[in-house]
Amino acid sequence: AQSVSQHNHHVILSEAASLELGCNYSYGGTVNLFWYVQYPGQHLQLLLKYFSGDPLVKGIKGFEAEFIKSKFSFNLRKPSVQWSDTAEYFCAVNARMDSSYKLIFGSGTRLLVRP
Amino acid sequence: GAVVSQHPSRVICKSGTSVKIECRSLDFQATTMFWYRQFPKQSLMLMATSNEGSKATYEQGVEKDKFLINHASLTLSTLTVTSAHPEDSSFYICSAFSLSGYTFGSGTRLTVV
Repeated sequence: AQSVSQHNHHVILSEAASLELGCNYSYGGTVNLFWYVQYPGQHLQLLLKYFSGDPLVKGIKGFEAEFIKSKFSFNLRKPSVQWSDTAEYFCAVNARMDSSYKLIFGSGTRLLVRP
Repeated sequence: GAVVSQHPSRVICKSGTSVKIECRSLDFQATTMFWYRQFPKQSLMLMATSNEGSKATYEQGVEKDKFLINHASLTLSTLTVTSAHPEDSSFYICSAFSLSGYTFGSGTRLTVV
C-alpha cells in the first residue's frame, strides 16, 4: 500500500546533540517531499522541501534533509539541536494518486530537547 | 507569501447540530483545497480534496454526507460537519496549493458536547 513512514515516534535529546529523523515512502513515480514542524499549540510550518535537483536540501533553522531515491527515503537532520526545537515533525509526500495530486503525511515524530 | 485563513479557530457545539468551517486563500486563487483532520497526538489525515466548481473527492472511509464540502469560488472552501457527535471532535485543517507550495490554515478545533 502507498504510505509515508516515520519510524521514530518519540525522540528525546539533550541540547547540542545531533538529530536524524527517518522518513520512508512507498509511492512510485515522481514525488515531491516535505518536512513540516508543528510547535506546541501552533499550526504547521514548512521546514524544507524537495522537488528536484540537488538531493541535499537545506531548510530553515539549520535543518537539512537528503533525498535518496534508491532507498525511498528523505531523512531530516540537524547537527546541533536546541531546546526551542522541541516540537512535532511531519514528513509529507506529494504524489499523484487517483488522477490527482495529494499531500500525504507520515505519523509524525515528537521531539523533546532537554536543556 | 501565500496565506490561507481558516475560521473559526475554535468552536463548541451541541451534539446533533451542524458546524461550518471556512477556508479562504487571501492572496491567490486556489482551484484545489484540501481538508485534513488531526486527532490529538496523531498525524494529519487527508479527508477530502475540494475542487472549485465540482464535487469534492473524499478519501476512503470518510462519510460524504457527514462532511459536506463546498468550493463555490476560487478563494473559498467550506467544510460542514453535519449532525455532529462527540466522536467528531477533532482538529480540522485546510490547505491550498499555490506557486509557493502547500499553505495551511491555522486549524479549527471542534468540540462536540
